[in-house]
Amino acid sequence: GEDVEQSLFLSVREGDSSVINCTYTDSSSTYLYWYKQEPGAGLQLLTYIFSNMDMKQDQRLTVLLNKKDKHLSLRIADTQTGDSAIYFCAESWGSSNTGKLIFGQGTTLQVKP
Amino acid sequence: DTEVTQTPKHLVMGMTNKKSLKCEQHMGHRAMYWYKQKAKKPPELMFVYSYEKLSINESVPSRFSPECPNSSLLNLHLHALQPEDSALYLCASSQVGLAGLRGTGELFFGEGSRLTVL
Repeated sequence: GEDVEQSLFLSVREGDSSVINCTYTDSSSTYLYWYKQEPGAGLQLLTYIFSNMDMKQDQRLTVLLNKKDKHLSLRIADTQTGDSAIYFCAESWGSSNTGKLIFGQGTTLQVKP
Repeated sequence: DTEVTQTPKHLVMGMTNKKSLKCEQHMGHRAMYWYKQKAKKPPELMFVYSYEKLSINESVPSRFSPECPNSSLLNLHLHALQPEDSALYLCASSQVGLAGLRGTGELFFGEGSRLTVL
């Protein structure tokens, strides 16, 4: 069955780079996503990558995709205290048009000043 | 307008009450979703509506009853809930792919309704 795995916790110092890793299982996934959730809030889409891409960069965010190993990573450059949140990777499930997503367990990013 | 609006933000109800959660979007999205999220856990899909028709029910107990009155609105009717149903309920919407093509599948989430069942 489908499964998405992430490490649960990451702590970095302000100004450092953060790298959050994710592995997924559904090789038919067309898109893979990174969502951010701040305490008490809903999920905010940070970025997504199409499955035929290896890398996508958007300002401080860099997404790397290794399709062979089914490994996805999110790098945040110059991490700020405002980046402290839970980060979920998600894969689109199957070939349905309904956009059903399978979420990882979430990585809590703690940024120390 | 890129918002998904959920009301109420907080709801406390007894096990015998009947209440409803409401969700609204004006982005022209034709797919709408209910997710349930427990603390420090990922969202779990409950229901998906596509073109106002229920397309996915993830074996959700009948005490949760979804309704999609029109393409902009999604309700979740609650009746005879249990304390373990206390959670953050998230609504989301997305485009639906056209004629065999898919959109990006990006989900736009609301801020959630935090439900406490006493």
